[in-house]
Amino acid sequence: DAKTTQPTSMDCAEGRAANLPCNHSTISGNEYVYWYRQIHSQGPQYIIHGLKNNETNEMASLIITEDRKSSTLILPHATLRDTAVYYCIVRVGNNAGNMLTFGGGTRLMVKP
Amino acid sequence: NAGVTQTPKFQVLKTGQSMTLQCAQDMNHEYMSWYRQDPGMGLRLIHYSVGAGITDQGEVPNGYNVSRSTTEDFPLRLLSAAPSQTSVYFCASSYNPQDYEQYFGPGTRLTVT
Repeated sequence: DAKTTQPTSMDCAEGRAANLPCNHSTISGNEYVYWYRQIHSQGPQYIIHGLKNNETNEMASLIITEDRKSSTLILPHATLRDTAVYYCIVRVGNNAGNMLTFGGGTRLMVKP
Repeated sequence: NAGVTQTPKFQVLKTGQSMTLQCAQDMNHEYMSWYRQDPGMGLRLIHYSVGAGITDQGEVPNGYNVSRSTTEDFPLRLLSAAPSQTSVYFCASSYNPQDYEQYFGPGTRLTVT
């Protein structure tokens, strides 16, 4: 699976949009981009995933560049409860082991 | 649904002791897995199972055994605990191995002295 690069930490003001970038320049054509987050001391939580089109759900939006070498997770109106570590993961869709390879992630701090 | 449950929440072991971490899910998921998370790091896959009676090794399987006798349960056994196994252990499940969303349990914090 392709490696991802994320900033170590970011701050965001409460109520503003949080834009979390991820670089995955070696992504293959059959690899999806997944985002999970981990709130302190809890298990990771799935947020969203995509292949090449932009995706939106009730939690967030995922913007994938046309060349698929990078993506951005957008939390449109960040709240204090969105403070967490956000993991960008690139994975083959039919990975038999269904393994999620977690890197260091981005620690997002939402401030009042 | 209770989702994915793990017991115990906390455990302290002495070096050489053995124990079993319990994981159960009530969502009729075929796929279950165990990860460990060391301080300040991401999760690493220990073992996984694609259905009852089937298990396989992940990235860091040494020192751990698993079995899957039912769809609901996937216990992780530490055979002879070592300080290097001090970590937080997470169990996860999904409907099938290709499912994009995995559900994680709350974790078991294990300290080996």
